[in-house]
Amino acid sequence: GAGVSQSPRYKVTKRGQDVTLRCDPISSHATLYWYQQALGQGPEFLTYFNYEAQPDKSGLPSDRFSAERPEGSISTLTIQRTEQRDSAMYRCASRGTGELFFGEGSRLTVL
Amino acid sequence: AQTVTQSQPEMSVQEAETVTLSCTYDTSESDYYLFWYKQPPSRQMILVIRQEAYKQQNATENRFSVNFQKAAKSFSLKISDSQLGDAAMYFCAYRSGAGGTSYGKLTFGQGTILTVHP
Repeated sequence: GAGVSQSPRYKVTKRGQDVTLRCDPISSHATLYWYQQALGQGPEFLTYFNYEAQPDKSGLPSDRFSAERPEGSISTLTIQRTEQRDSAMYRCASRGTGELFFGEGSRLTVL
Repeated sequence: AQTVTQSQPEMSVQEAETVTLSCTYDTSESDYYLFWYKQPPSRQMILVIRQEAYKQQNATENRFSVNFQKAAKSFSLKISDSQLGDAAMYFCAYRSGAGGTSYGKLTFGQGTILTVHP
């Protein structure tokens, strides 16, 4: 696509539910990154993919968080058994040969 | 680990005036990149300017320029002739120059909210 597309833009869920967020990167971009941005803070790195490989998961806060990119294009970030502290903006970014292009994020609220 | 600190939670400026946003960072690496990103209310993250650590010359992009002091580990952003559209949250960010596919692994500061008064 023309830009990085994320869905849903807003998600409200109850504590304990699972949520899945989706990122559709720029079609020619090999690398894809996920960031978590708490309200009033800067984004924090979660994980990234190079095509379908996931070389770095070091930023995932717990084993409740997982990400996939099975065909090297669209990626999903899944949070299991959500907790209130998971409330944040989740941003995806992709990169070809230049700098990052960010999506507009998915804002997750856990009640 | 690298850290990025923005000590000004909020700044304000009059339209057409100049404002400087501060950023300091800590790293043991000699090869790295520094960035300023703009996050307007529209939720986009827009790259404003980029500086390579090996370049002594300060980067400039139209009304935006940086003051890069490598020894002091300081990287400030100067916005000249401020416009209402400059109002946003600004983030300073660091990236290792180690290369490879981790090029997009950035460390961000806490952000500075810039208000522009007409």
